Amino acid sequence: KQEVTQIPAALSVPEGENLVLNCSFTDSAIYNLQWFRQDPGKGLTSLLLIQSSQREQTSGRLNASLDKSSGRSTLYIAASQPGDSATYLCAVQRMNTGFQKLVFGTGTRLLVSP
Amino acid sequence: EAQVTQNPRYLITVTGKKLTVTCSQNMNHEYMSWYRQDPGLGLRQIYYSMNVEVTDKGDVPEGYKVSRKEKRNFPLILESPSPNQTSLYFCASSDRVADEQFFGPGTRLTVL
Repeated sequence: KQEVTQIPAALSVPEGENLVLNCSFTDSAIYNLQWFRQDPGKGLTSLLLIQSSQREQTSGRLNASLDKSSGRSTLYIAASQPGDSATYLCAVQRMNTGFQKLVFGTGTRLLVSP
Repeated sequence: EAQVTQNPRYLITVTGKKLTVTCSQNMNHEYMSWYRQDPGLGLRQIYYSMNVEVTDKGDVPEGYKVSRKEKRNFPLILESPSPNQTSLYFCASSDRVADEQFFGPGTRLTVL
């Protein structure tokens, strides 16, 4: 059974810091890994999608890496801003099933203070 | 604008009163799913659909029904809601099985 873990559960940093969020998964047979952002009471916004054949993806100040063999992904946020405060979720899509299903971690709650 | 919409956004109801949460996407996506989000448990898949008239159970399907009569719509039906179905519900869609998933804004349901 695929399990996804995110560490730390919460993180508080001052504005301007670079930071890394971690995601680990137990089964390396995945189609892809996706990072989402969730603001309080809101839906999920897709940040980055890394296919299983890729090592990393970048979008602006965000960089996500994927190491399938070790079952790990990191989300790097450069020069953090208060507007980055949100909960960040990673999710893997299992490969050995015939349908589409994301298995989510429980998230890292990030607070960036001015 | 490409989007997934859900209605209602908030709903308070009583045990046993049938309700439907609608989900619609305007991206012509084949795949649609329903998830529920609960504190400490994260998001879990309830049902999914690979195309019109093709649906199947996810991890937590008990107490829910779905239908996919049109490609754009994927309603979630609670025939007899119970308090343990109080949760935040999300609909999602994607074009193909390995593509990026787009999520709706969520429906917060409270069953008294």
